[in-house]
Amino acid sequence: QLQLQESGPGLVKPSETLSLTCSVSGGSISRSSNHWAWFRQPPGKGLEWVGSVYYSGSTYYNPSLESRVTISVDTSKNQFSLKLVSVTAADTAVYYCARHTGSSWFYNCFDPWGQGALVTVSS
Amino acid sequence: QSVLTQPPSVSGAPGQRVTISCTGSSSNIGAGYDVHWYQQFPGTAPKLLIYVNSNRPSGVPDRFSGSKSDTSASLAISGLQAEDEADYYCQSYDSSLSVYVFGTGTKVTVL
Repeated sequence: QLQLQESGPGLVKPSETLSLTCSVSGGSISRSSNHWAWFRQPPGKGLEWVGSVYYSGSTYYNPSLESRVTISVDTSKNQFSLKLVSVTAADTAVYYCARHTGSSWFYNCFDPWGQGALVTVSS
Repeated sequence: QSVLTQPPSVSGAPGQRVTISCTGSSSNIGAGYDVHWYQQFPGTAPKLLIYVNSNRPSGVPDRFSGSKSDTSASLAISGLQAEDEADYYCQSYDSSLSVYVFGTGTKVTVL
């Protein structure tokens, strides 16, 4: 059974870089034809797609975050990672990783999801 | 970036049927992109509930059903149970924004 788990610092200072890693178990990132995604959910608010990565390293970002986001994959560790630079309080959220599922990019849904990691931006 | 509109809350007595609407536009649902639904309990991750408009993953009770028409979609819960109290989100793709989009979310309360 595929499982995902986020890890990383829970507190980041304003203007610094948020870094999270998603570890995948129960299956190989590189053997799957799936993309892998990051989402975030500010406290009490809705869900936002941050971006996605393919095992080959191809990336796709939300245009609203593209200038600050980098998503990468490490197939040797079966992990993919998120970096968000120049963070502000508005980036405070629970960050989730998930696997794309579906026949093609535009029709994808997401399953399963990691448990989530709360990242607070504060000095 | 919630371009899909849902009612903030719906409620019903145990055993009743409730529906949650998800209203989009010609660049997302109306463009033919599939709609998926997620269930989220407080403090936990979203869980896929309905995929490709009306399909249930293994393990999801058949009390949950989905439909899609024109620029909107709906999630129905029949035989409402206390354990169905949660937040529900619809999701699709938007070709104008080039992003996956989610609904504003609906809180289901069992009276």
